[in-house]
Amino acid sequence: NAGVTQTPKFRVLKTGQSMTLLCAQDMNHEYMYWYRQDPGMGLRLIHYSVGEGTTAKGEVPDGYNVSRLKKQNFLLGLESAAPSQTSVYFCASSYTTGFPQETQYFGPGTRLLVL
Amino acid sequence: ILNVEQSPQSLHVQEGDSTNFTCSFPSSNFYALHWYRWETAKSPEALFVMTLNGDEKKKGRISATLNTKEGYSYLYIKGSQPEDSATYLCAFTGTASKLTFGTGTRLQVTL
Repeated sequence: NAGVTQTPKFRVLKTGQSMTLLCAQDMNHEYMYWYRQDPGMGLRLIHYSVGEGTTAKGEVPDGYNVSRLKKQNFLLGLESAAPSQTSVYFCASSYTTGFPQETQYFGPGTRLLVL
Repeated sequence: ILNVEQSPQSLHVQEGDSTNFTCSFPSSNFYALHWYRWETAKSPEALFVMTLNGDEKKKGRISATLNTKEGYSYLYIKGSQPEDSATYLCAFTGTASKLTFGTGTRLQVTL
């Protein structure tokens, strides 16, 4: 099993450009999450999904959109990138959050630089 | 906004030293406390999840305790090794059932 994978690993964008980050998991997990990691701050939840076809906002959703058309994939889109979106983006998945002790499994991260 | 704080921010110890760090979290509406280990250029990996006051978990030389009444958890590393060098994250799960992460404690173990 590959676990949670993310593409691309690194990307440089100019302000105003758009891009999509792809997260894929092969563990048949129901729940998937997108976080961003910034210096001096904990991982912050952008959006999450509780199942195929559903998405919900997290703590910092502005400027991002997501889609979960297939259970194994969770896409994070930036329609018009801004320098404030320079960050490392992590995807995670879990079987369910019906149980708060459920462990989340993380991908390797995507480093995004917006100039 | 939930406040999860970790201290110290960073720690530098010699090989063989034992060390510990703290995670503070809201004591109300508590469901679970997670510890993750995050090596540079890798993904965070789950170490422990604890749900009950007084819980203690152990994995090799690493152990953790939980006090939900006062809102803190300790992570202990006995006889630190260079391969223990990593950032240790704690995350709190409350009624919203989503993880709120602390900023982590960065541990550097040198020979």
